[in-house]
Amino acid sequence: GAGVSQSPRYKVAKRGQDVALRCDPISGHVSLFWYQQALGQGPEFLTYFQNEAQLDKSGLPSDRFFAERPEGSVSTLKIQRTQQEDSAVYLCASSRRADPYEQYFGPGTRLTVT
Amino acid sequence: AQKVTQAQTEISVVEKEDVTLDCVYETRDTTYYLFWYKQPPSGELVFLIRRNSFDEQNEISGRYSWNFQKSTSSFNFTITASQVVDSAVYFCALRPMEYGNKLVFGAGTILRVKS
Repeated sequence: GAGVSQSPRYKVAKRGQDVALRCDPISGHVSLFWYQQALGQGPEFLTYFQNEAQLDKSGLPSDRFFAERPEGSVSTLKIQRTQQEDSAVYLCASSRRADPYEQYFGPGTRLTVT
Repeated sequence: AQKVTQAQTEISVVEKEDVTLDCVYETRDTTYYLFWYKQPPSGELVFLIRRNSFDEQNEISGRYSWNFQKSTSSFNFTITASQVVDSAVYFCALRPMEYGNKLVFGAGTILRVKS
């Protein structure tokens, strides 16, 4: 499709497990963002890539969170040793330029840690 | 501090009523962008509008209109003649130029339009 896709759409993990969430941005989009959205809240910024370079990771809540975009297209957000407070929807967005253009969001991955 | 406040947690209206969603922002930057996004039950955020801090002209797009007032740091969104399909969560977001490329979102307003 033409939009941002994310997989899996739903993930249930037991506390302590590692998870990997995938984002396929719109083809040719330079910028890629990850956001975390807790229930009933607005999305909160996690990290930002311009091509393969991770330019801002100030929003990652702990060193258990790691993101990569090795070839400047697909990105993976990895969470190690998941905790219950990690339960949220993880949204990926892409933008075709580096400047303040509109970000196109994917459907999100709903992570539930039990 | 960069902050967006959407004071209305939830609004319910009857179809064909007009409804205004409020957004107040805080930033020390003189250059910034403001956005509105819609999040339907499917979960995907849908971009509605982007305005920059130098353009205070109000904008109308079909049934949607936006009122940007720098003096009160507000960027309100009005839906005219609401429809059931407008039911969603609406988010206002701020992107200060000095804050990198990240968006700062408000907590959202749930809009329920009843037939």
